[in-house]
Amino acid sequence: NAGVMQNPRHLVRRRGQEARLRCSPMKGHSHVYWYRQLPEEGLKFMVYLQKENIIDESGMPKERFSAEFPKEGPSILRIQQVVRGDSAAYFCASSPGQGSSYEQYFGPGTRLTVT
Amino acid sequence: AQTVTQSQPEMSVQEAETVTLSCTYDTSESDYYLFWYKQPPSRQMILVIRQEAYKQQNATENRFSVNFQKAAKSFSLKISDSQLGDAAMYFCAYRSAPSGTYKYIFGTGTRLKVLA
Repeated sequence: NAGVMQNPRHLVRRRGQEARLRCSPMKGHSHVYWYRQLPEEGLKFMVYLQKENIIDESGMPKERFSAEFPKEGPSILRIQQVVRGDSAAYFCASSPGQGSSYEQYFGPGTRLTVT
Repeated sequence: AQTVTQSQPEMSVQEAETVTLSCTYDTSESDYYLFWYKQPPSRQMILVIRQEAYKQQNATENRFSVNFQKAAKSFSLKISDSQLGDAAMYFCAYRSAPSGTYKYIFGTGTRLKVLA
C-alpha cells in the first residue's frame, strides 16, 4: 500500500508566479490535511478537505492561497503570485475517516523556494 | 485555543545513553491525543509514539516511552539506548478528540544530536 504521495518534491518559483502542489492520499483515504512548515518552525495547519468539500480552512492565508480535493485526482494546494515569505515546506496528510481515532499519515512534503 | 510548547530547542546525548525531551500543552478539553513525531533531514514526518488522554498508562514503543502527566499537562519523551539514527528534529503534537477537524497542533521542535 503506497503511502501519501506529494509532487513535486522541490519547486522553485520566481516572485509573482503561481505554485501548484499536489497530494495523492493513501488508497482508501478520503480526508486530506495541508500543513506548512516555515524554516526552523513546527508544522502549522492550513486546511482540511474531504472529497469535493473544504471542511476547515481556518489556517489558510486570506489571499492568494486556495485548495481543492476533487472527486477524481489529487488534492491541489495553489498559491498565486508567490512572495519570498511563501518559501516553506508544505506537507499533506491523509486519513481514512473523520473520527478521533483515525491517524493522519504524512507525505514527504514539497519544498517551495521563491526567488 | 490549544497550544503546544517545547522549551528545548536543542539537546545532545551520548550514544547508548538516555535522553528526555520535554513538551507541555494547554487545553481546556478532557479528551485528546498526544503524539511525538520524528523528522530526519529527509523531512519525512515519522510517528514515534502516541498517547490517548483517557489512558493512564504511559505509552511505550521499544526504546521510546512517554511520561504523561495529565494534571500538569506535560508529555515528555524518553529515548533509551540512544542510537546515531535517532538524531533528528522531534515534534510534540496535540489533537482534539471531540468532534471537530482533528487538526494537529505542533510544537516548535527539539533538535536531538547523538554523539558517538
